[in-house]
Amino acid sequence: NAGVTQTPKFQVLKTGQSMTLQCAQDMNHEYMSWYRQDPGMGLRLIHYSVGAGITDQGEVPNGYNVSRSTTEDFPLRLLSAAPSQTSVYFCASSRAYLQGSSYGYTFGSGTRLTVV
Amino acid sequence: EDQVTQSPEALRLQEGESSSLNCSYTVSGLRGLFWYRQDPGKGPEFLFTLYSAGEEKEKERLKATLTKKESFLHITAPKPEDSATYLCAVQASGSARQLTFGSGTQLTVLP
Repeated sequence: NAGVTQTPKFQVLKTGQSMTLQCAQDMNHEYMSWYRQDPGMGLRLIHYSVGAGITDQGEVPNGYNVSRSTTEDFPLRLLSAAPSQTSVYFCASSRAYLQGSSYGYTFGSGTRLTVV
Repeated sequence: EDQVTQSPEALRLQEGESSSLNCSYTVSGLRGLFWYRQDPGKGPEFLFTLYSAGEEKEKERLKATLTKKESFLHITAPKPEDSATYLCAVQASGSARQLTFGSGTQLTVLP
């Protein structure tokens, strides 16, 4: 049981390049989401999905696209990288219904992205 | 708009010196409040979920409590290995609401 797997762990891009950050989970979780973490600003939600074929925007969606063709995978695409997208990106997954449970969202180990 | 404020931003304790971290929140109906631990260079690690005021949960030296406006993470007799950033997040009620995080408290426990 690997949990949430993110690739790559590190990436350097030039301004204007595009790339896809991969995220896969093997826990059959319905919910998946992408966050970015910047110093002093905490984790901010980029996009999320409540199931295959369903996605929605979070707090900071501009410059990013997502799709969810399977339950397991939720890739994040940077369309045209900008220095402001330099950050650490985390993918998370969760069961749809947590009320009363002892479970929470499970996070991946992150992708550290630098845009030069 | 959901808001989460954590204090202090940083806390240095001597080994064995108990203390508390605070998480104040404003949310349009609370579905759950989450505490995470994050070590440098790693993803957040789940600690607790609290669902209603008055609820408490414990794990080793940590105890989380919840009121209608805030949550506390109490650390009893901490050890150096408890050093980490502790994150608080809320999930609002309503369909498919995701987590809103605070900025975290960076805890350092000195031997």
